Amino acid sequence: SQQGEEDPQALSIQEGENATMNCSYKTSINNLQWYRQNSGRGLVHLILIRSNEREKHSGRLRVTLDTSKKSSSLLITASRAADTASYFCATDAGSGAGSYQLTFGKGTKLSVIP
Amino acid sequence: DTGVSQDPRHKITKRGQNVTFRCDPISEHNRLYWYRQTLGQGPEFLTYFQNEAQLEKSRLLSDRFSAERPKGSFSTLEIQRTEQGDSAMYLCASSSSFVEQYFGPGTRLTVT
Repeated sequence: SQQGEEDPQALSIQEGENATMNCSYKTSINNLQWYRQNSGRGLVHLILIRSNEREKHSGRLRVTLDTSKKSSSLLITASRAADTASYFCATDAGSGAGSYQLTFGKGTKLSVIP
Repeated sequence: DTGVSQDPRHKITKRGQNVTFRCDPISEHNRLYWYRQTLGQGPEFLTYFQNEAQLEKSRLLSDRFSAERPKGSFSTLEIQRTEQGDSAMYLCASSSSFVEQYFGPGTRLTVT
């Protein structure tokens, strides 16, 4: 079963624009992670935000987490054609240092048009 | 290349046949995971190993699915008596902690 639900399902933007993707989840979490998947390939870890954090940055990525609303957003600034991929949020509902089981959403398919 | 590798990358089999996939994790990673991903969905967790111990297998989809990691290094995922509904991408990941998982390129299974 999938806990995370990304929104929108698909997003098409021009190169240089910002892209925002949202993720909602159902149960309490230890942390939330974002992964990127290029067409037909494995996933790449982008960023992790813990339940006691509200915002985190990594390069052109900004992630926010609102545990009261059980939601997260991923912002990619100054998008590039190479950012074209599917983006998934994954929740870890374990305690302490985390658990082995990540629950992924269905993903947002981002297309960046050169 | 020191990433996670999976073999084969593609497998086409007839319904009822058995298939086995192999995963070689990053060498220093003691944790290994298997996921299944169907079209338009995110990965679905199947099973988890810490070293050679399979600590979670209740999420394997049926008793036709089994996984091993005999010496705590590479792992295999076997599907017996394949069905058309088993067609999917099977992903392996490894990690040294619970913070970040490193995924392989996956094995795409097509059952005809």
